[in-house]
Amino acid sequence: ETGVTQSPTHLIKTRGQQVTLRCSSQSGHNTVSWYQQALGQGPQFIFQYYREEENGRGNFPPRFSGLQFPNYSSELNVNALELDDSALYLCASSSGRMNNSPLHFGNGTRLTVT
Amino acid sequence: QQQVKQSPQSLIVQKGGIPIINCAYENTAFDYFPWYQQFPGKGPALLIAIRPDVSEKKEGRFTISFNKSAKQFSLHIMDSQPGDSATYFCAASPNFGNEKLTFGTGTRLTIIP
Repeated sequence: ETGVTQSPTHLIKTRGQQVTLRCSSQSGHNTVSWYQQALGQGPQFIFQYYREEENGRGNFPPRFSGLQFPNYSSELNVNALELDDSALYLCASSSGRMNNSPLHFGNGTRLTVT
Repeated sequence: QQQVKQSPQSLIVQKGGIPIINCAYENTAFDYFPWYQQFPGKGPALLIAIRPDVSEKKEGRFTISFNKSAKQFSLHIMDSQPGDSATYFCAASPNFGNEKLTFGTGTRLTIIP
């Protein structure tokens, strides 16, 4: 069983640029969530995708957007990067909203904005 | 009202001791309370989770105690080992599932030999 994989593992961007982070969900999982984890903090929910539709969003501005593809992989896009966007971005997958299946997290993408 | 408050921020326990990490919440819509373990450079991994219809759940050396009236829950690690040294997060979510987990701020646990 392949776990959740994220790419790239590290990324350095300049303020104002755009970034795309990628996630392959665990085999059999159709729900993907993205979280932002600032240094020394707990993860914060960005949004969730279920069967290619956004299904809930946290307190993040519209410049954070996402996609889920038919194979349930996902992308997180961040436009107009700000210094405060520097964080570990975590992708998590599960097998369905009503299934009460646990979230399986990837190891994240460490984004540094300079 | 969406916050989950976690304490202590850091904890040092001798091997074999029982570290206890506490969390409190306000949102009565929360009905799923997982604990995650995170090692440096890794994503969080689910340890154990509880629903509000039970007051205690044990899985191996890990126990969750849940007090619905006080809106508090805690993690106990029995016979702690140096390999348990990690950051622990409590979390909560509403609606019977894993949607929109709200995490605590984390407890950095160190088990000394």
